[in-house]
Amino acid sequence: KNQVEQSPQSLIILEGKNCTLQCNYTVSPFSNLRWYKQDTGRGPVSLTIMTFSENTKSNGRYTATLDADTKQSSLHITASQLSDSASYICVVSVSGGYNKLIFGAGTRLAVHP
Amino acid sequence: IAGITQAPTSQILAAGRRMTLRCTQDMRHNAMYWYRQDLGLGLRLIHYSNTAGTTGKGEVPDGYSVSRANTDDFPLTLASAVPSQTSVYFCASSDSRGTQQFFGPGTRLTVL
Repeated sequence: KNQVEQSPQSLIILEGKNCTLQCNYTVSPFSNLRWYKQDTGRGPVSLTIMTFSENTKSNGRYTATLDADTKQSSLHITASQLSDSASYICVVSVSGGYNKLIFGAGTRLAVHP
Repeated sequence: IAGITQAPTSQILAAGRRMTLRCTQDMRHNAMYWYRQDLGLGLRLIHYSNTAGTTGKGEVPDGYSVSRANTDDFPLTLASAVPSQTSVYFCASSDSRGTQQFFGPGTRLTVL
């Protein structure tokens, strides 16, 4: 069964600190992996997209890594800001057919001053 | 401003009533999608459309129907709402390759 699991479920950090969110997936055939940020009451917004051959991709203070062998990805946030408080969703795209996405349940991050 | 709009923002509905959630995009994307988001679960695909005039069933299609009369609009209809359809509904669109999906702001629906 295609699944995406994220950890931790929730996380609280202090402003300025770094954090790393984890994503494990069992999706086949794999097409790409995406990280989305979802602010409360809003729709998800794409942060990064990585294909099978990409190990890392950055978007400002966000850096995503992908290990296709172990089927793991991480999202590292550097020097966190209050505006980083949101849910972060790992999404894996299934190759073939319509653009099928498997969504993780997300990690809810709270950045406190 | 280019993007996706959804209406209504929120709705409280009596069980058994019919409801249509509206979605419009102005990015000329061929593909559109409807998802529901429930607490503790990832977004789940209800229905999709790869191009105007065609639709397909996603992971949780029962109790929902869609139509795609033109490129821009993709309404989702609940023929007879039930409390288990209480959820937040997101519409999304993408180009034909589906490289990136753009999401609307969501509709919060409560069925009593």
